Amino acid sequence: DGGITQSPKYLFRKEGQNVTLSCEQNLNHDAMYWYRQDPGQGLRLIYYSQIVNDFQKGDIAEGYSVSREKKESFPLTVTSAQKNPTAFYLCASSSPGARGTDTQYFGPGTRLTVL
Amino acid sequence: DQQVKQNSPSLSVQEGRISILNCDYTNSMFDYFLWYKKYPAEGPTFLISISSIKDKNEDGRFTVFLNKSAKHLSLHIVPSQPGDSAVYFCAASLWGGNQFYFGTGTSLTVIP
Repeated sequence: DGGITQSPKYLFRKEGQNVTLSCEQNLNHDAMYWYRQDPGQGLRLIYYSQIVNDFQKGDIAEGYSVSREKKESFPLTVTSAQKNPTAFYLCASSSPGARGTDTQYFGPGTRLTVL
Repeated sequence: DQQVKQNSPSLSVQEGRISILNCDYTNSMFDYFLWYKKYPAEGPTFLISISSIKDKNEDGRFTVFLNKSAKHLSLHIVPSQPGDSAVYFCAASLWGGNQFYFGTGTSLTVIP
């Protein structure tokens, strides 16, 4: 059945290491997104991609990088330049609706802890 | 600059009563609004949406109201059930836009 998968659910890394979070969708959605959630805060957009081989920075892109080589996949790399990488990361994809009414569907999230 | 605001971080309601969650926005160009429900350590799930051409949308126990002049929307849950206990996020987007702007969430607790 269709959905968005993120792996792993929990990830631990040492400070200074780059880490890549996986996001795969089989919903045939063109657009994909990465958000970060911190306690007491809403979802903040890191990067989004509306089409293969194209992506745009969101509000908090510094210290992150992405690629979109396939429609189904949108991996996020958290680099050592990201000052506070410990957070809950959410991947989403969106389906175009009538009159621009896209709806986003989310994956289960990855909890990254940097030690 | 938070364009979508949920000023109540938490709300407690007795089972069977109405839950009202509120959301305010600042950008008058937003014309599509969504509510999501989120359990801890899970991704948000889409609940209900409304476009700016409507002022009300209903889906079972969930109704969203939109007041464009006040830049305010609300989610009503009637009757509230313990399984509704979760964090609720409102979100807004521009017409034809792919980018969504999320509020900070309201944690709803439904007391049995």
